[in-house]
Amino acid sequence: KQEVTQIPAALSVPEGENLVLNCSFTDSAIYNLQWFRQDPGKGLTSLLLIQSSQREQTSGRLNASLDKSSGRSTLYIAASQPGDSATYLCAVVSNDYKLSFGAGTTVTVRA
Amino acid sequence: GAVVSQHPSRVICKSGTSVKIECRSLDFQATTMFWYRQFPKQSLMLMATSNEGSKATYEQGVEKDKFLINHASLTLSTLTVTSAHPEDSSFYICSAWRTSSGELFFGEGSRLTVL
Repeated sequence: KQEVTQIPAALSVPEGENLVLNCSFTDSAIYNLQWFRQDPGKGLTSLLLIQSSQREQTSGRLNASLDKSSGRSTLYIAASQPGDSATYLCAVVSNDYKLSFGAGTTVTVRA
Repeated sequence: GAVVSQHPSRVICKSGTSVKIECRSLDFQATTMFWYRQFPKQSLMLMATSNEGSKATYEQGVEKDKFLINHASLTLSTLTVTSAHPEDSSFYICSAWRTSSGELFFGEGSRLTVL
């Protein structure tokens, strides 16, 4: 059974600092990996999707890397802003199309 | 981009009544949709996988007679919470699987409060 772990569970940084969020998974046979953002009381917004054949994806200030062999993905957010405050979730889709979510990292960016 | 619409966003009902939540994929066909439940400050818990034209697959511990799922078309799945009780109060979120890209898109969620 795929297990997804996100570390740290919470993170508080001053505005302008770079953020590093980690996601690890136990089964490297994945179909793809997706990073989401969730604001309080809201649904999930897709940030980046990395296919199993890719090593990284970039969108604006966001960059996500994928290392299947070590079972890790890292989400980098450059020059953080207060608007980046949210919970970030990592979701892994296994080759049998089953989904597994991490518990999330709650980020607070202080102005 | 692809959008998934979920309705209603908030619903308050009396204990014993049934509540239906709709999940629509607006610009792509979704043969597979998922329903999740989320408790405060916790991650999403997969309740069931909804497959168009066939019965839903429920996760262990989820009562299928309590949470009825219907996926009658390629763009619509519904979750009906039957005979709701206060312990069913929660945030319910749906997602749709876009086969062409292998990407998941989520609805905005529905906050159910059972009095």
